[in-house]
Amino acid sequence: NAGVTQTPKFQVLKTGQSMTLQCAQDMNHEYMSWYRQDPGMGLRLIHYSVGAGITDQGEVPNGYNVSRSTTEDFPLRLLSAAPSQTSVYFCASSSAGMNTEAFFGQGTRLTVV
Amino acid sequence: DAKTTQPTSMDCAEGRAANLPCNHSTISGNEYVYWYRQIHSQGPQYIIHGLKNNETNEMASLIITEDRKSSTLILPHATLRDTAVYYCIASPGGGYQKVTFGTGTKLQVIP
Repeated sequence: NAGVTQTPKFQVLKTGQSMTLQCAQDMNHEYMSWYRQDPGMGLRLIHYSVGAGITDQGEVPNGYNVSRSTTEDFPLRLLSAAPSQTSVYFCASSSAGMNTEAFFGQGTRLTVV
Repeated sequence: DAKTTQPTSMDCAEGRAANLPCNHSTISGNEYVYWYRQIHSQGPQYIIHGLKNNETNEMASLIITEDRKSSTLILPHATLRDTAVYYCIASPGGGYQKVTFGTGTKLQVIP
């Protein structure tokens, strides 16, 4: 199984550009989420989804949009990139219910210049 | 979700047991204690979780105090490949909707 796949692995953007970070999972998980990790810090939740058509904000949602049209995909959109969004982004998925663990992608390293 | 507190860093000699503590004094009855680790800048990897009882799998053991206010992750024979940041979180699981991973414990395994 591929698990959670994130693309691209690396990206450089200019300030003001837009882009979409892709996340796909093949485990039929209901829950998906996006985190960002800045140097020397833990992971902070950006947005999450409990199922297709349902999304909600996490701890640091400003500057990011998400949608969940299918169970498999959960793209993260940056509408107008800013240097403060330079970070490593991780996508995670897990099944519904209690007592389940999360599976993480390998991350997208984004630099905004 | 309950807040957890971990030491910033720890060292462990290769081949010895690594004992990583975590405090979660505000944990609620339906929250599990989860441990993940992050090697270099890879995506976090699940290690183990438990509710009340001690748990063991092929990677580690988890010891939870009777009052559930703290726990210890034990890597029985640490290797250099166990050098990583270890995160302890308290969550009902199933989505991690509002879980924020703190800064974790940086474990350095020394040859």
